[in-house]
Amino acid sequence: EVQLVESGGGLVQPGGSLRLSCAASGFTFSNYAMTWVRQAPGKGLEWVSTISGGGDATHYADSVKGRFTISRDNSKNTLCLQMNSLRAEDRAVYYCAKQVTVDGYYMDVWGKGTTVTVSS
Amino acid sequence: DIVMTQSPDSVAVSLGERATINCKSSQSVLHSSNNKNYLAWFQQKPGQPPKQLIFWASTRESGVPDRFSGSGSGTDFTLTISSLQADDVAVYYCQQYYTLWTFGQGTKVEIK
Repeated sequence: EVQLVESGGGLVQPGGSLRLSCAASGFTFSNYAMTWVRQAPGKGLEWVSTISGGGDATHYADSVKGRFTISRDNSKNTLCLQMNSLRAEDRAVYYCAKQVTVDGYYMDVWGKGTTVTVSS
Repeated sequence: DIVMTQSPDSVAVSLGERATINCKSSQSVLHSSNNKNYLAWFQQKPGQPPKQLIFWASTRESGVPDRFSGSGSGTDFTLTISSLQADDVAVYYCQQYYTLWTFGQGTKVEIK
C-alpha cells in the first residue's frame, strides 16, 4: 500500500526555521516526483514546491522562493522541506503528495499532513 | 502564472440531484503535443487530506464512483456529480498542471 507520513511540524517563532519530513513507502520512491502543498486554517490548497524523482529539478511557489528548500533522499525514501525565515502567513497544514511520473503531472496520493504554527 | 477560478464558491443540492462545479483557467491548459488537458479535480472532506477524483480533465481515478464526471477543454471545465449522496459533502478543487501547479479556490458542496 502506498503511504506517505509527514512529520516535523510544530510551533516556531517568526523568523525561525523548521524542517519537515515525509516518509514514503509502498512504491519505488525515486521513480516519482514529490510535492509539498499547504493549507492555511480555513483556506484553500496552495502548491508550495516540487522535486523531480532524481532530485535534479526543483520548483517553488513565489511565496516561498528563497526561504524554503525541498530535497529528497532516495536511499531513505524521504522527502524534506527546510523552511527558513518563517512568517505568520506560513502557518498551515503541510501535505506531501506523490506525483504520477518522475517529472510531475498530477498528484495521486497524499499524506495526512503536519501542522506548522508560526507565532510569538 | 495560471490562475484558476471556480464557481460557485458554494452550492446546496438535494440528495439525488445533480451538482455542477465550474473551473476556468486564465490560459489554456490543453497541450497541443498530446491533445490532453492538464486539469485535475480533488475532493476534500473536513479534517482529511485531498483525494484525487479526476485527471486529464475527464479520466476518473480508480475507485471513484461513476456519478463523478469531468468535462471541458482549453480554459473551461466542469465537475458534475450526477446524483448527490450524503458522502459527497466536501470541498472540491480544480488544479492545473500545465505550468507548475495551481489550485482553484474551492467549491463547497452541501445538502439542501
